[in-house]
Amino acid sequence: DAGVIQSPRHEVTEMGQEVTLRCKPISGHNSLFWYRQTMMRGLELLIYFNNNVPIDDSGMPEDRFSAKMPNASFSTLKIQPSEPRDSAVYFCASSLDSPNTGELFFGEGSRLTVL
Amino acid sequence: DQQVKQNSPSLSVQEGRISILNCDYTNSMFDYFLWYKKYPAEGPTFLISISSIKDKNEDGRFTVFLNKSAKHLSLHIVPSQPGDSAVYFCGGGDSNYQLIWGAGTKLIIKP
Repeated sequence: DAGVIQSPRHEVTEMGQEVTLRCKPISGHNSLFWYRQTMMRGLELLIYFNNNVPIDDSGMPEDRFSAKMPNASFSTLKIQPSEPRDSAVYFCASSLDSPNTGELFFGEGSRLTVL
Repeated sequence: DQQVKQNSPSLSVQEGRISILNCDYTNSMFDYFLWYKKYPAEGPTFLISISSIKDKNEDGRFTVFLNKSAKHLSLHIVPSQPGDSAVYFCGGGDSNYQLIWGAGTKLIIKP
């Protein structure tokens, strides 16, 4: 199995530009999570999808952030407009809730730098 | 290449006893280590961390020990409670904010 696939691995952009991060979960997994990793706050959950439906988006920092999951094999996290404080590593993770093992598989992350 | 390994997929402990979860790593560039706890159908929640310059960090019932020479860290939970039943993830992070996670250990606390 290829695991959770994220792209791009690295993104450098200028303030004000739109950023789109992509995630392909593990086939058959029905839960998908977007996390942001910063030194100050550690790993923060941004949004959680279950069966393609957003369940908990309370971690999304503000309206500049949006996430979609149009189908079971693809999700995007979009930042528009981007700001320097958005610089972080963004992780996508997926899991299989049935059987409910609780295992979470993370992608390798997308490192975003906003100048 | 698994830079962080949690070799025990599951662990069963009697309520009130000590739970010890282990984690091994290969990357000597890690600056800090994290333990996350995850309940089914929920995202991981931060539990405790330790800087690579320390060998112990304690927070209530949770203590993390770091042995840099052995590239090994462990999480001790004492006393174990039923609510501690969850999957525990160990992660190592470097100065570039990259975080590498282990596969997780499922802890079951028996009443």
